[in-house]
Amino acid sequence: QQQVKQSPQSLIVQKGGISIINCAYENTAFDYFPWYQQFPGKGPALLIAIRPDVSEKKEGRFTISFNKSAKQFSLHIMDSQPGDSATYFCAAQPSGSRLTFGEGTQLTVNP
Amino acid sequence: NAGVMQNPRHLVRRRGQEARLRCSPVKGHSHVYWYRQLPEEGLKFMVYLQKENIIDESGMPKERFSAEFPKEGPSILRIQQVVRGDSAAYFCASSPEMNTEAFFGQGTRLTVV
Repeated sequence: QQQVKQSPQSLIVQKGGISIINCAYENTAFDYFPWYQQFPGKGPALLIAIRPDVSEKKEGRFTISFNKSAKQFSLHIMDSQPGDSATYFCAAQPSGSRLTFGEGTQLTVNP
Repeated sequence: NAGVMQNPRHLVRRRGQEARLRCSPVKGHSHVYWYRQLPEEGLKFMVYLQKENIIDESGMPKERFSAEFPKEGPSILRIQQVVRGDSAAYFCASSPEMNTEAFFGQGTRLTVV
């Protein structure tokens, strides 16, 4: 019930393309859904987050789409750049508890 | 505006020694979380603390591992009698309240030789 399933495990995209990473969850108590970006040797950095009262949130080239009925959410990176190459983690958190992370997606954007 | 500070960044211990990892949260944050990350793997929850209290330690091994977040000073994750399998990156995160943005430190990379 605490699991968050993330796919794909790895993703290769051409520069300028759209990167899409998907996550699914079971626990309906989750009410906060952030995405983190991690570069090698660094800590995860908060990228964008959404709460279930909205279906989409956009910040620059990054968009979260949220489907409450399907218990799924996804990260879209528009106009992907080589500098976006990193590992991306989705996460989910119920009120009063801690973040549960997906297994991560290693994104490579080719020039 | 300092973020989450973890030290040391790298720590080498021989099997059987103790490892102490420190985490200073963002100023004003009273919630601290510890996660462990093995190479090429995700972040596994260990323990969630609020000032002077352990809220959730369900991810922390019952033996050899302990954590504290005293009223004054940093949070400490302590691993006694380290074994090779403890080698990993340990990340600390802090947030001002529950269910708000959590910010991570740069991690402590523990190597047990």
